[in-house]
Amino acid sequence: QKEVEQDPGPLSVPEGAIVSLNCTYSNSAFQYFMWYRQYSRKGPELLMYTYSSGNKEDGRFTAQVDKSSKYISLFIRDSQPSDSATYLCAIPLGNNRLAFGKGNQVVVIP
Amino acid sequence: NAGVTQTPKFQVLKTGQSMTLQCAQDMNHNSMYWYRQDPGMGLRLIYYSASEGTTDKGEVPNGYNVSRLNKREFSLRLESAAPSQTSVYFCASSEARAGGPGKSNEQFFGPGTRLTVL
Repeated sequence: QKEVEQDPGPLSVPEGAIVSLNCTYSNSAFQYFMWYRQYSRKGPELLMYTYSSGNKEDGRFTAQVDKSSKYISLFIRDSQPSDSATYLCAIPLGNNRLAFGKGNQVVVIP
Repeated sequence: NAGVTQTPKFQVLKTGQSMTLQCAQDMNHNSMYWYRQDPGMGLRLIYYSASEGTTDKGEVPNGYNVSRLNKREFSLRLESAAPSQTSVYFCASSEARAGGPGKSNEQFFGPGTRLTVL
């Protein structure tokens, strides 16, 4: 079983819609959770980082962790065309490595 | 600070040719990584170096070799390129302090090398 799973399907939404992205993880001991954003033909960059359970907000972005179901989510409110990118969840492993989800390509249509 | 730099940006090889992808970071990070990214497969770790002088295999090491030349530089070599190695290659680095969880695990990525093997 992989440490983190992310259904790699693309997602197209109209401008202003809420985008909801999800990942599941396998090990209940994981405590840190990350979301990376990758624009086309660029390297991934850290978007948000959360610890343990609960929500973390940063502007229009909210990262949510549900440890009881081992589920992490990223919400984008009032989505903009500039949010069009691939979003990858990631979890730090104990050996200086990150486990990445496969990513969701999001397209926000003006 | 340039962050993580990679050369070349693009490369076309013929089957059987060899090449080395170069990576350098100027953030004094301990750990460095090589990934490949393919459609529908996500980022897959090829090799990593937790600290200067050490290297370890990742998820897909076959057909690749690495050298951690010094703390700044980490190169990836394809000895005999195959079409299956057509991909986008990313180098990354991380502070990755031992026992330091959370933000120190952030990996900083380079711009990538687009490699095509014919």
